[in-house]
Amino acid sequence: ETGVTQSPTHLIKTRGQQVTLRCSSQSGHNTVSWYQQALGQGPQFIFQYYREEENGRGNFPPRFSGLQFPNYSSELNVNALELDDSALYLCASSLVGGLHNEQFFGPGTRLTVL
Amino acid sequence: AQTVTQSQPEMSVQEAETVTLSCTYDTSESNYYLFWYKQPPSRQMILVIRQEAYKQQNATENRFSVNFQKAAKSFSLKISDSQLGDTAMYFCAFVPGSNDYKLSFGAGTTVTVRA
Repeated sequence: ETGVTQSPTHLIKTRGQQVTLRCSSQSGHNTVSWYQQALGQGPQFIFQYYREEENGRGNFPPRFSGLQFPNYSSELNVNALELDDSALYLCASSLVGGLHNEQFFGPGTRLTVL
Repeated sequence: AQTVTQSQPEMSVQEAETVTLSCTYDTSESNYYLFWYKQPPSRQMILVIRQEAYKQQNATENRFSVNFQKAAKSFSLKISDSQLGDTAMYFCAFVPGSNDYKLSFGAGTTVTVRA
C-alpha cells in the first residue's frame, strides 16, 4: 500500500510569485484535503476535493485554489504569494465512506516566502 | 463553528512515566468524532487514537488511552509507560458527523520524553 506523498519537500519563493504543490493520495483513496500549518501551530483546513470537485473550503482567499485529477492526485495553487503564506502545507487523503473519513497525511511541503 | 483548545503548550515526562494531555472543544453537534494525532519532529502526522462521540466507552490503543467527557466537552490523552519515541507534537482534532470532511485542530502540545 502506497502512502501519501507530496512534492516538492521544500520550496522558496518571493512575494507576488505563484506556486504549485502536488500530492499523490494513498492507494484506494478518493478524497484529498489540504491544510496549512504555520510554525508552532495546528493545521488549518484549506479545502477538500472529491471526484475532482471542491467539496468544502476553509477560511482562505480565492488565490488559494486546487485541482484533483482522475487518478485522485491533487494540486494546490497559490497566487500572489504573501509573506504570511510561509508554512508547512499538508495533504491528507481519505476514502468517502471509510472509517469516519479518517485522513492520512503526507510529509508536507515547506514553503518559504521571502 | 467548532473550536478545539489545547491549554498545555509543552509537557515533559520521564521515560516510563505517564503523561496526560488536555483538550477541550466546543460544538453544537450531537454526533462527531475526536482524534489525537502525533507529529514527530520533521516527520509526518499520524493518527494515535480516535473516539466516536456516541460511544461511552473510552478508546484505548496500547499505551494510549483517552478520557472522553462528553458533557464537559473534554477529551484528554494519557500516554502510559512513555518512550523516547513518543517525543512529538500532539494535536487534538475534531470532525463533525454532519460535515465530516473538515478536521479542526488544536494548537498542539509538545511532549518531550526524558531518558
